[in-house]
Amino acid sequence: EPEVTQTPSHQVTQMGQEVILRCVPISNHLYFYWYRQILGQKVEFLVSFYNNEISEKSEIFDDQFSVERPDGSNFTLKIRSTKLEDSAMYFCASSDAEFRTPLHFGNGTRLTVT
Amino acid sequence: GENVEQHPSTLSVQEGDSAVIKCTYSDSASNYFPWYKQELGKRPQLIIDIRSNVGEKKDQRIAVTLNKTAKHFSLHITETQPEDSAVYFCAATDKLIFGTGTRLQVFP
Repeated sequence: EPEVTQTPSHQVTQMGQEVILRCVPISNHLYFYWYRQILGQKVEFLVSFYNNEISEKSEIFDDQFSVERPDGSNFTLKIRSTKLEDSAMYFCASSDAEFRTPLHFGNGTRLTVT
Repeated sequence: GENVEQHPSTLSVQEGDSAVIKCTYSDSASNYFPWYKQELGKRPQLIIDIRSNVGEKKDQRIAVTLNKTAKHFSLHITETQPEDSAVYFCAATDKLIFGTGTRLQVFP
């Protein structure tokens, strides 16, 4: 069964540094998402992406965040200047339709900001 | 914005008993309601979903019921097993606004 893959599985960075989290969605999916989960808390929506542009974003997704689909397979989340509170598990997800369809999540990247 | 409330936050049951988790949502336009299971340190995985044109859906030991008038939906797990132990999240709307999660523990 095809899967969403994410790299790295764990990223440690210093406060103020830029990080790029990478995702390879399922190949025939057209809708891509990033979610964040702070340890022990719920999964929070960050952003959705379709047709090479952001379709929706949450209040969490401020100017320090950006997403990109640099080629036909990768989908990235960049955090420009990391803060301690950015430490969380970041999940990428994809789906084959926009509405009323399951999301397929990757295994996540654990970001630790020190 | 959309808000999804989930209860209880923790639930402990004996193996073989039933477990029920409830969620309420605020956006009356919501029409898709999935449930995800997340084992410790792993990704959320879809276990069942329901669309607004039906009131109940069942898949083996798992069922979901939806009351659109009252804006709540529930997950029912029958004959629970220790491997059902996990955190369960409900979600609503097309962006998947997640509930706060329920930690289910099934004791042998």
